[in-house]
Amino acid sequence: KAGVTQTPRYLIKTRGQQVTLSCSPISGHRSVSWYQQTPGQGLQFLFEYFSETQRNKGNFPGRFSGRQFSNSRSEMNVSTLELGDSALYLCASSLRGSGGDIQYFGAGTRLSVL
Amino acid sequence: AQRVTQPEKLLSVFKGAPVELKCNYSYSGSPELFWYVQYSRQRLQLLLRHISRESIKGFTADLNKGETSFHLKKPFAQEEDSAMYYCALSGAGGTSYGKLTFGQGTILTVHP
Repeated sequence: KAGVTQTPRYLIKTRGQQVTLSCSPISGHRSVSWYQQTPGQGLQFLFEYFSETQRNKGNFPGRFSGRQFSNSRSEMNVSTLELGDSALYLCASSLRGSGGDIQYFGAGTRLSVL
Repeated sequence: AQRVTQPEKLLSVFKGAPVELKCNYSYSGSPELFWYVQYSRQRLQLLLRHISRESIKGFTADLNKGETSFHLKKPFAQEEDSAMYYCALSGAGGTSYGKLTFGQGTILTVHP
């Protein structure tokens, strides 16, 4: 089975721009979660999508949004980029997104905001 | 609120020595606990989870609800165990869908 695929791997943007990151889950997985990883804050949960619906959301401003398509692929969008948004963004897929499910991670998209 | 604490940012041991990576958690219900590992230039991957009660690569972890701990142990460390280790928690119910709460991670270095 192919693993979780994230594109692009690297992005450089300037303050005020917006960015879209893409995540293709493992075939058959319907839950996609997004995380932000920074040296200072570590891994923080952004949100989770299941069957095209956002079921859970972390403590991030509304500039961070996402969506999921009928084939379970997911996108994450960050508008009005700030310097502090520079981070590694990870997505993870699981079968159902329930408590005991194993999450499988992508390699991440490294976003640099200048 | 759920919280995971890994008190050691760095841990160094010699090959063949026992190793224990500490993890404490805070959660009001019944948590699901995981250990994830990230080897150099590889993606984050599951090492083990408490509900499986299995040993992976010689590592074991026991959930101690009384002490709210889920420490990772291996009796004889190997050089290939050098990596970043994350303890993670998932709760139950709607507020936990797809959400893992991670500790800050412990970098384990096993010296030859």
